[in-house]
Amino acid sequence: GAVVSQHPSWVICKSGTSVKIECRSLDFQATTMFWYRQFPKQSLMLMATSNEGSKATYEQGVEKDKFLINHASLTLSTLTVTSAHPEDSSFYICSAGDWGASGRKGHTDTQYFGPGTRLTVL
Amino acid sequence: AQKITQTQPGMFVQEKEAVTLDCTYDTSDPSYGLFWYKQPSSGEMIFLIYQGSYDQQNATEGRYSLNFQKARKSANLVISASQLGDSAMYFCAMRENNQGGKLIFGQGTELSVKP
Repeated sequence: GAVVSQHPSWVICKSGTSVKIECRSLDFQATTMFWYRQFPKQSLMLMATSNEGSKATYEQGVEKDKFLINHASLTLSTLTVTSAHPEDSSFYICSAGDWGASGRKGHTDTQYFGPGTRLTVL
Repeated sequence: AQKITQTQPGMFVQEKEAVTLDCTYDTSDPSYGLFWYKQPSSGEMIFLIYQGSYDQQNATEGRYSLNFQKARKSANLVISASQLGDSAMYFCAMRENNQGGKLIFGQGTELSVKP
């Protein structure tokens, strides 16, 4: 299947600093990527849809000035957590759609996920 | 209202036996897709199986099969011949085709395989 990478895999930072997380589609082009957040023992919550060359679409309740998303190319989206606070500590995970690239029946709509980034804000 | 519901927070199964993980969904969009993902303790989301709303047959991928009952709006995952490595969180997700490709996830089911 398609490969999505994330960097860094984990990060520890002080309160008030900004942290940038990169999401890359390695073997396919992704015009759309998604950013999710997951707290321990909970499900994935969609934060925003990242569109190449245009502004991201944020889900209700997600502060766009807090979580800056940039999708500068067909293979890279970045999420910047600005002025991070301890309550921002979470597992952040991105996904990208391999729309039809696999060619296999039933897999034309598959979304592939990055390995995730564990953010700890002290 | 919950769009995706997984009612089993935790499940146990004996190694080599089959197990069914339940998932029900709610949508008015006639075109949608249903997914199952596995999340081990490492955190990565592993795609398991996909079922399109217009697919006539239930999807199968190796030991995984999806029991798709459209009228009942259920999409249960069946894992046959469970292995110790199957112990993980399992998430059901839905993509509505009029929502730009985003996935809505269920609450998850933690599966534990006993030796």
